[in-house]
Amino acid sequence: AQSVTQLGSHVSVSEGALVLLRCNYSSSVPPYLFWYVQYPNQGLQLLLKYTSAATLVKGINGFEAEFKKSETSFHLTKPSAHMSDAAEYFCAVSETGANNLFFGTGTRLTVIP
Amino acid sequence: DVKVTQSSRYLVKRTGEKVFLECVQDMDHENMFWYRQDPGLGLRLIYFSYDVKMKEKGDIPEGYSVSREKKERFSLILESASTNQTSMYLCASSSYRELYSNQPQHFGDGTRLSIL
Repeated sequence: AQSVTQLGSHVSVSEGALVLLRCNYSSSVPPYLFWYVQYPNQGLQLLLKYTSAATLVKGINGFEAEFKKSETSFHLTKPSAHMSDAAEYFCAVSETGANNLFFGTGTRLTVIP
Repeated sequence: DVKVTQSSRYLVKRTGEKVFLECVQDMDHENMFWYRQDPGLGLRLIYFSYDVKMKEKGDIPEGYSVSREKKERFSLILESASTNQTSMYLCASSSYRELYSNQPQHFGDGTRLSIL
């Protein structure tokens, strides 16, 4: 069975500070992992996806995530927050060969000027 | 770029009405999905389809049905709308051709449905 846990439904950071959004997954097989972002009144946009080729994945807008199998984690980071990063972020998992995604409950990021 | 278009951004209907939400994608994707999004619950899968005229139940299919008569179009139907179906509905599509790769789903902008 697959599931995703996002710790912290709301995260606030100052502009220029490090962004860290946490995601832990459970999966009985090697997972496919994704981070999506949702800006107000919009659908979800893919930020990055995990491939087995590299544990550190770089995405759009300066975001990156590191796959840690021993910790079953796929945390999202950005070195320096920008006002435009304010949005809701979703971590998602699917199992090998499947197209269904299981989403976490989301983390709303607020960036303080 | 993949374009997933949902016919309405905002919709207000009354209890007991039959409601149709339409979704069209322009990338010849085989897979299409309907989710509902509620605060604190994330996205929950209602139904999905791997091909024309095929459908599979997701996690919360009760009170909903779907129709896929053409590859590019996937409709969500609320047979008799109820107030607990007030929500944001998101449609997504993905390519079957990359089944064993970690290819992503592409989302529409959502339909915010209110049932009064």
